[in-house]
Amino acid sequence: QVQLQQSGPGLVKPSQTLSLTCAISGDSVSSNSAAWNWIRQSPSRGLEWLGRTYYRSKWYNDYAVSVKSRITINPDTSKNQFSLQLNSVTPEDTAVYYCARGFRLTYYYGSGSYRAYAFDIWGQGTMVTVSS
Amino acid sequence: DIQMTQSPSSLSASVGDRVTITCQASQDISNYLNWYQQKPGKAPKLLIYDASNLETGVPSRFSGSGSGTDFTFTISSLQPEDIATYYCQQYDNLPRVTFGGGTKVEIK
Repeated sequence: QVQLQQSGPGLVKPSQTLSLTCAISGDSVSSNSAAWNWIRQSPSRGLEWLGRTYYRSKWYNDYAVSVKSRITINPDTSKNQFSLQLNSVTPEDTAVYYCARGFRLTYYYGSGSYRAYAFDIWGQGTMVTVSS
Repeated sequence: DIQMTQSPSSLSASVGDRVTITCQASQDISNYLNWYQQKPGKAPKLLIYDASNLETGVPSRFSGSGSGTDFTFTISSLQPEDIATYYCQQYDNLPRVTFGGGTKVEIK
């Protein structure tokens, strides 16, 4: 089955760069039917989508407006993983960070078929604290 | 961004009770609405997609309904293992998905 395994430091100093990696097993970062996302969760901001990378004949990235100037998500096909870099962090970036697969789920209703989009596989989460 | 408002923010119910959570979108999102369950210290788990479709392996006591701006999530008979926080999530304006604030379900 598909699994995501996160790694990276749990403590980052203010103004430095937060870096996390998500290793994929049971699927491919180059899959044409999945997107690879980073989502964070904090008491103040709740669950917040940060961005994604995906391959559809070429690589694409989408980022949330709130972090667009500071974020980079990169695929690594040689290791079948993807990474998150968030620059110039502040204490407001303290959160649990999750990687997640965005997937099109096909279902049938009546005479038609439909493709929902959902985060069906999640990493275990990494608590990242921004503090000096 | 589309705002998702869940209510109540928390509830307490007895084992066997019927539990209902609502989620309201700030604009019409058709049926592009998913529900997740999150237990303490764990990642969210997908339960229902496109408002009413049960993810594989999810018990049938969970159900969802609604379309447009108003959605409902129901546990028909609350079990001790259902203690968790539940979140709705819209994907009408992919990739900018948004989540509701969550509903914490406790046993009375």
